[in-house]
Amino acid sequence: DAKTTQPTSMDCAEGRAANLPCNHSTISGNEYVYWYRQIHSQGPQYIIHGLKNNETNEMASLIITEDRKSSTLILPHATLRDTAVYYCIVRGGNTGTASKLTFGTGTRLQVTL
Amino acid sequence: DAGVIQSPRHEVTEMGQEVTLRCKPISGHNSLFWYRQTMMRGLELLIYFNNNVPIDDSGMPEDRFSAKMPNASFSTLKIQPSEPRDSAVYFCASSFGGHERYTFGSGTRLTVV
Repeated sequence: DAKTTQPTSMDCAEGRAANLPCNHSTISGNEYVYWYRQIHSQGPQYIIHGLKNNETNEMASLIITEDRKSSTLILPHATLRDTAVYYCIVRGGNTGTASKLTFGTGTRLQVTL
Repeated sequence: DAGVIQSPRHEVTEMGQEVTLRCKPISGHNSLFWYRQTMMRGLELLIYFNNNVPIDDSGMPEDRFSAKMPNASFSTLKIQPSEPRDSAVYFCASSFGGHERYTFGSGTRLTVV
């Protein structure tokens, strides 16, 4: 699996967009980018994933560069409840059965008033 | 849907005692994962099952740890004998199909004294 690099921590003002970057320069053609977050004392929560096209759901948007070597998770209007550790993970494509996800150290996002 | 259910939420035990953690995955999910989280090591995958069959147990730290999945709706992680260094939060997660969209439980906080 490709290695990912994320900033250790970021701050964002409430109501503003939070843009969380992730570098995955060794990503291969069939690997997806997944984003999870972990709010304090809770289990990780799936946010979004994508292969090469930009993706959007009710939680966030995922922007993947054309060369796929980096991506950005966007929380359009961050709230205090979005304070969490955000994990960017790269994993192989759909094989019909699940395989393991390896969580790194992630980015600690602090949303402030 | 009640989500992934783990029990107990908290467990305090004495060194040398047997500890059993339980997990009920989401109905219909065919993959189950056990993770351990500590401040020092972050989130570590211990073992995962596909269709009740253990696929990768390379993360199980030593023979004191064992996991079973007797049917699609139940899994256990057992530590015997327990040691203080086993103190951690243990998460169970389940998923369906080939995409790594996991749903995590709330975790079991284990303290071995």
